[in-house]
Amino acid sequence: GQQVMQIPQYQHVQEGEDFTTYCNSSTTLSNIQWYKQRPGGHPVFLIQLVKSGEVKKQKRLTFQFGEAKKNSSLHITATQTTDVGTYFCAGTGTYKYIFGTGTRLKVLA
Amino acid sequence: DAMVIQNPRYQVTQFGKPVTLSCSQTLNHNVMYWYQQKSSQAPKLLFHYYDKDFNNEADTPDNFQSRRPNTSFCFLDIRSPGLGDAAMYLCATSREIRDRGFWETQYFGPGTRLLVL
Repeated sequence: GQQVMQIPQYQHVQEGEDFTTYCNSSTTLSNIQWYKQRPGGHPVFLIQLVKSGEVKKQKRLTFQFGEAKKNSSLHITATQTTDVGTYFCAGTGTYKYIFGTGTRLKVLA
Repeated sequence: DAMVIQNPRYQVTQFGKPVTLSCSQTLNHNVMYWYQQKSSQAPKLLFHYYDKDFNNEADTPDNFQSRRPNTSFCFLDIRSPGLGDAAMYLCATSREIRDRGFWETQYFGPGTRLLVL
């Protein structure tokens, strides 16, 4: 079946360093969404990418959708302690979401 | 504020004792989802209702059932909870338009943490 993998699984960075997580699907996706889940919280929607090669920015966050619509990345510039959490991509195929395995980010002050 | 509400936030049940988790939404979304999330894992889709149509995931155990009596409410029934069913259960909603070609943003409730003794 369809799988969505994320790397790395964990990432520790010093505050102010950059961070990137990569999302790879075994099949072509209709669109991809990114969610952030704080420790003890629930997933919160960040952004959706629909078009091949699409790039979107939200302040320090940059999201990309691959040309083949099978991979995506999230890049955070100059991390802050408020960025701590697990970042999930969620790919959608023909009829449902598949969540990626997640990348847990820790930011050291 | 429009939102997704889950009750209870914490549920303790005994091994084999049926339990029902509830979800309500004020967003008037036509799709409601139930996910199971175990510690340090991604949310795993159990099933979803697209309007009144129930869609079960192939690997969802028969022990898990769902009901959606109306647009606003959806229930997750665990008929005979086992120790392996201890997890966070997340309800989510989205507003979908058929044949649009992609799926919309999901709005998650705060979750119900289930403990099985």
